[in-house]
Amino acid sequence: NAGVMQNPRHLVRRRGQEARLRCSPVKGHSHVYWYRQLPEEGLKFMVYLQKENIIDESGMPKERFSAEFPKEGPSILRIQQVVRGDSAAYFCASSPQPHEQYFGPGTRLTVT
Amino acid sequence: GENVEQHPSTLSVQEGDSAVIKCTYSDSASNYFPWYKQELGKGPQLIIDIRSNVGEKKDQRIAVTLNKTAKHFSLHITETQPEDSAVYFCAASLPAARQLTFGSGTQLTVLP
Repeated sequence: NAGVMQNPRHLVRRRGQEARLRCSPVKGHSHVYWYRQLPEEGLKFMVYLQKENIIDESGMPKERFSAEFPKEGPSILRIQQVVRGDSAAYFCASSPQPHEQYFGPGTRLTVT
Repeated sequence: GENVEQHPSTLSVQEGDSAVIKCTYSDSASNYFPWYKQELGKGPQLIIDIRSNVGEKKDQRIAVTLNKTAKHFSLHITETQPEDSAVYFCAASLPAARQLTFGSGTQLTVLP
């Protein structure tokens, strides 16, 4: 069974560029979540999506960040005009039902 | 919103000894409490979870206990092995929410 897949695993962007992070959930899972982890810290919730719908984006910064989970294809977390403070590990999780969340390996974003 | 505190932040034990990690949560309505193990450079791995209608759950060398009155829950690892060395995170979730609120993590080191 393939688990949650994320790509790229490492991403380097210069300040002002755009970052696109992709997440393919476990086959059959319709719930996708994005979390951010700063060095030496726990994970912070960003957004929860189901197919074609954003259910809860209460943890998402109001500007520059957006997320989607289209009918076909992976979920995308998009960060526009990145700044150094966006450097972090971004994790995607999926679940067959609310609560049980299975995490991917993460994308480590470095902004130079 | 929910707040989760985790202690200790670091824990060293001798191989074969037991390790206990404790978490407290703030919202008495929380009803789902998972534990994750995160190895260096990897995503969090769900190792055990417990729901509020259960006081204790065990899976081989790992057990979790929940005290709803005191609003705390604990992870117990018996007969620790070097491969148990990792960062462990507790989390809590409210019934209507889909997001997990994480503790700050415990770096467990099992000394051979």
